[in-house]
Amino acid sequence: DADVTQTPRNRITKTGKRIMLECSQTKGHDRMYWYRQDPGLGLRLIYYSFDVKDINKGEISDGYSVSRQAQAKFSLSLESAIPNQTALYFCATSDESPYEQYFGPGTRLTVT
Amino acid sequence: AQKITQTQPGMFVQEKEAVTLDCTYDTSDPSYGLFWYKQPSSGEMIFLIYQGSYDQQNATEGRYSLNFQKARKSANLVISASQLGDSAMYFCAMRELGGSYIPTFGRGTSLIVHP
Repeated sequence: DADVTQTPRNRITKTGKRIMLECSQTKGHDRMYWYRQDPGLGLRLIYYSFDVKDINKGEISDGYSVSRQAQAKFSLSLESAIPNQTALYFCATSDESPYEQYFGPGTRLTVT
Repeated sequence: AQKITQTQPGMFVQEKEAVTLDCTYDTSDPSYGLFWYKQPSSGEMIFLIYQGSYDQQNATEGRYSLNFQKARKSANLVISASQLGDSAMYFCAMRELGGSYIPTFGRGTSLIVHP
């Protein structure tokens, strides 16, 4: 089984709808992240969490909110989706040492 | 200002040849880590290689090596003996260890390997 899972993998929704993207991990890591990827812009950080009680905004948090339900679960919500939130969304985890992040498979979100 | 710069939006290489993907970074933190990730067309992000700022030798992982030039603040990825399966997007990233530990990614380089 994958260490970091994301649901759904693909989602099409309409403008104004609320949508939640979910992330679960079995790595046992405290640190979790949400990124969005747009063509030509690389990965941009939306929110990150260093433990269940620590949640921080990234560079593009407007229009998004998150919930850290447990060490293993970190959800991203779009309260009122808009078309420019159409993107590929990644969840990632890492440990405290300066090593790599482990990424989920991504969620492709389309807002019409 | 961008902390990670990848100046090559696209690169082409012939199968079995070597290719270098450029990455420059900007930091005043003396302790940092540099990463390269591969993203094939299927979309997943795959960790390739890591270099710490205090590492004396360039990192290598199989056909991947990181040409680390600290004074020039560059961390180029070298892929030797390119294979068709190397066709993908490649991202350089940096994590400053004296600060928030939050990685910053470059915009990526698209590599196409020709047969």
